[in-house]
Amino acid sequence: AQSVAQPEDQVNVAEGNPLTVKCTYSVSGNPYLFWYVQYPNRGLQFLLKYITGDNLVKGSYGFEAEFNKSQTSFHLKKPSALVSDSALYFCAVRDTGGYQKVTFGTGTKLQVIP
Amino acid sequence: GAGVSQSPSNKVTEKGKDVELRCDPISGHTALYWYRQRLGQGLEFLIYFQGNSAPDKSGLPSDRFSAERTGESVSTLTIQRTQQEDSAVYLCASSLGAGNNQPQHFGDGTRLSIL
Repeated sequence: AQSVAQPEDQVNVAEGNPLTVKCTYSVSGNPYLFWYVQYPNRGLQFLLKYITGDNLVKGSYGFEAEFNKSQTSFHLKKPSALVSDSALYFCAVRDTGGYQKVTFGTGTKLQVIP
Repeated sequence: GAGVSQSPSNKVTEKGKDVELRCDPISGHTALYWYRQRLGQGLEFLIYFQGNSAPDKSGLPSDRFSAERTGESVSTLTIQRTQQEDSAVYLCASSLGAGNNQPQHFGDGTRLSIL
């Protein structure tokens, strides 16, 4: 079975400061990992994914994420937060072997304070 | 290009009525997914289509829920004899193929309220 944990329900950060949204995962094989963002009354938007290769993945809107196999983590980061980054962020995992449904985390609300 | 389109955007209905939710995926996307998102919660998988077949229906919560897809395009999710616990946002997503590394593209959802 696969699972995803987002240990923080909410993260507050001051505008201009670096931000980190945490995600850890569990899969039986190798993972495909994704980050999505959800703005109020909207669907999820894809930010970035890890498939293979470089552990640091760059995505949309200046976000990046670091894959750490030993810690089974895939934390989302941004060097300088914007107020407009305030939203709900979901981490998701999918095993690479065969068909597997995507498992989403419970979401982390990011609040960027002006 | 056009994204995933869902209709209606909002639906209010009385308990016991049937509802039908529609999803138009991105053209050429063979994989289609339905999710349920209750207020303040994460996504609950309902069903997955590859083309017109549904190899994974494991998330449908009861036999009141059904879904179909025709022409490798439009999908409809039907909820019969609605209950108040069915109130949620129903999200549809599509992806280019069945590969597990494909990101999903989401519609803005249908907000269903059961009175």
